[in-house]
Amino acid sequence: SQTIHQWPATLVQPVGSPLSLECTVEGTSNPNLYWYRQAAGRGLQLLFYSVGIGQISSEVPQNLSASRPQDRQFILSSKKLLLSDSGFYLCAWSVHSSYNEQFFGPGTRLTVL
Amino acid sequence: TQLLEQSPQFLSIQEGENLTVYCNSSSVFSSLQWYRQEPGEGPVLLVTVVTGGEVKKLKRLTFQFGDARKDSSLHITAAQPGDTGLYLCAGASSGYSTLTFGKGTMLLVSP
Repeated sequence: SQTIHQWPATLVQPVGSPLSLECTVEGTSNPNLYWYRQAAGRGLQLLFYSVGIGQISSEVPQNLSASRPQDRQFILSSKKLLLSDSGFYLCAWSVHSSYNEQFFGPGTRLTVL
Repeated sequence: TQLLEQSPQFLSIQEGENLTVYCNSSSVFSSLQWYRQEPGEGPVLLVTVVTGGEVKKLKRLTFQFGDARKDSSLHITAAQPGDTGLYLCAGASSGYSTLTFGKGTMLLVSP
């Protein structure tokens, strides 16, 4: 069966500090991978997605970046965090299909102070 | 730009009541999914509907895809506190690797 991991689970960082959030998927190969951000109790904002190694599409211009160094690894980074980067970050994967059913990780709660 | 509008945004009911939440768009989707998210966790896929007019049941939850594949509804019978959460609908379009998500309906079921 497939599993998706995210870490850390929670993170408190000062403004201007760097960020690295990691997501890994097990039990599948060549998945689509996604990073979302969610404000409290609201919908999902797609940040980045990747259909293959080294292929990254950005949906929202901002100070965040994403990388996919391995098939089942997706990393979200920032060189300098802003207060507005606080939120709940979710990683998800899907198989390449027209249904595009997505399976989410447990999320990372980021607080920028 | 495809949009999915969910209504209501927030619903607070007593245990045992029935409810329906809606997901509407002016765009046609090849399939539509419903997710439930509990506080502090990632969304969990409940169902995918594919065919216009399709109805799927998951215990006390009934999902319907509109005939024109532009809208969907979720009906919960005899709601229980365990149904509390954020319900998200998401539409898929052929040839696209991303989903269009609605902003969600927050459901609170009180004992």
